[in-house]
Amino acid sequence: DSGVTQTPKHLITATGQRVTLRCSPRSGDLSVYWYQQSLDQGLQFLIQYYNGEERAKGNILERFSAQQFPDLHSELNLSSLELGDSALYFCASSVAGGRTQYFGPGTRLTVL
Amino acid sequence: AQSVTQLGSHVSVSEGALVLLRCNYSSSVPPYLFWYVQYPNQGLQLLLKYTTGATLVKGINGFEAEFKKSETSFHLTKPSAHMSDAAEYFCAVSDRGGDDKIIFGKGTRLHILP
Repeated sequence: DSGVTQTPKHLITATGQRVTLRCSPRSGDLSVYWYQQSLDQGLQFLIQYYNGEERAKGNILERFSAQQFPDLHSELNLSSLELGDSALYFCASSVAGGRTQYFGPGTRLTVL
Repeated sequence: AQSVTQLGSHVSVSEGALVLLRCNYSSSVPPYLFWYVQYPNQGLQLLLKYTTGATLVKGINGFEAEFKKSETSFHLTKPSAHMSDAAEYFCAVSDRGGDDKIIFGKGTRLHILP
């Protein structure tokens, strides 16, 4: 158990809908990262937040957004969902300035 | 831009045999290097990492990796494979000078033959 929690574990929704994925980092970790894992794209970095502020951005679509709250939990919002958004979404956390990221169990999103 | 290449999307070894998973990176400056393992229906678990110092890094579950700057490689090895090692393995890099996002390779699925 990495100490990173993600909810829900599974999510099934329809095209055009909006969903919110939630992540709670390990106690004391200030950085939160979001990754998408799909069969064709592999593991891709989406976005990083550090202590509430956006720190780095990767291949994140404009339909996707994220935020980190004062209690350090983070949410990834996916809107106008398409079939191709079906994937595993992982959250990871690290200590301030740390390079080791600890991954949560992921949320499996299925868009029908 | 940094990149990671893992040679072989699937590798099969017999139980008790040597495991060798290959990873090469592309970076102007030697980056931080990682190996992660993903068991079925689970998240990623850090096996080992190289930041600085000794180039032979020992990790969990008997795995180790050697950083070779001249070859830009960070191959993962284990002397004797066990059935429980069957999983997907990801090599990854993180830029020393920039932000700390991780760039992952495509992954290698390790199959253990009885």
